Amino acid sequence: ENVLTQSPGTLSLSPGERATLSCRASQSVSSNYLAWHQQKPGQAPRLLIYGASNRATGIPDRFSGSGSGTDFTLTISRLEPEDFAVYYCQQYGSSLYTFGQGTKLEIK
Amino acid sequence: QVQMQQSGPGLVKPSQTLSLTCAISGDTVSSNSATWNWIRQSPSRGLEWLGRTYYRSMWYNDYAMSVKSRITINPDTSKNQFSLQLNSVTPEDTAVYYCGRASSSWMEFDPWGQGTLVIVSS
Repeated sequence: ENVLTQSPGTLSLSPGERATLSCRASQSVSSNYLAWHQQKPGQAPRLLIYGASNRATGIPDRFSGSGSGTDFTLTISRLEPEDFAVYYCQQYGSSLYTFGQGTKLEIK
Repeated sequence: QVQMQQSGPGLVKPSQTLSLTCAISGDTVSSNSATWNWIRQSPSRGLEWLGRTYYRSMWYNDYAMSVKSRITINPDTSKNQFSLQLNSVTPEDTAVYYCGRASSSWMEFDPWGQGTLVIVSS
């Protein structure tokens, strides 16, 4: 099983600042089958990024994804108040999926 | 645009069977370019993929090892939906259960169903 480790666990920033979230895999993620999801309290997760760097439909361009192999990054260039939430990375390989434990982005 | 609507009971007794259904609109369960998944979320286990069903000239299923002996995911082409059955539940199966569509291109979950909180308790 490919274990995903996200860091930091909690990130405290102010609106307008830049956020950098990390996702590290225990094994190489095949074909960049790496996605990022945002989850707000009481809601289902929402897809932000797929294929490591492709924004999903309707996602603002302040969200960007990068990385390959075992190291991936989600960057939010200028935080808006609605961006404070929990972010999860997700990977697919060997006919199964795994998720990271999440990074909570909170208002400083 | 694809939408997924979950239904099913929110309370299940220990040792009984958890059953949920996910109705699909905007796509078909027999699509050759998607898979249909169940995922759960709990404070202790985080987000956990449970399994999927998909059609590629015939029906296939894949299940997570953690639940493989207890889970069945079935498509229903007449109603364009798919279901989850989890047998012999214990309080550790208490979680929010989500259905989700994954594309065959990038394997990402999009969209997710609205989620169903299932509590296992007598």
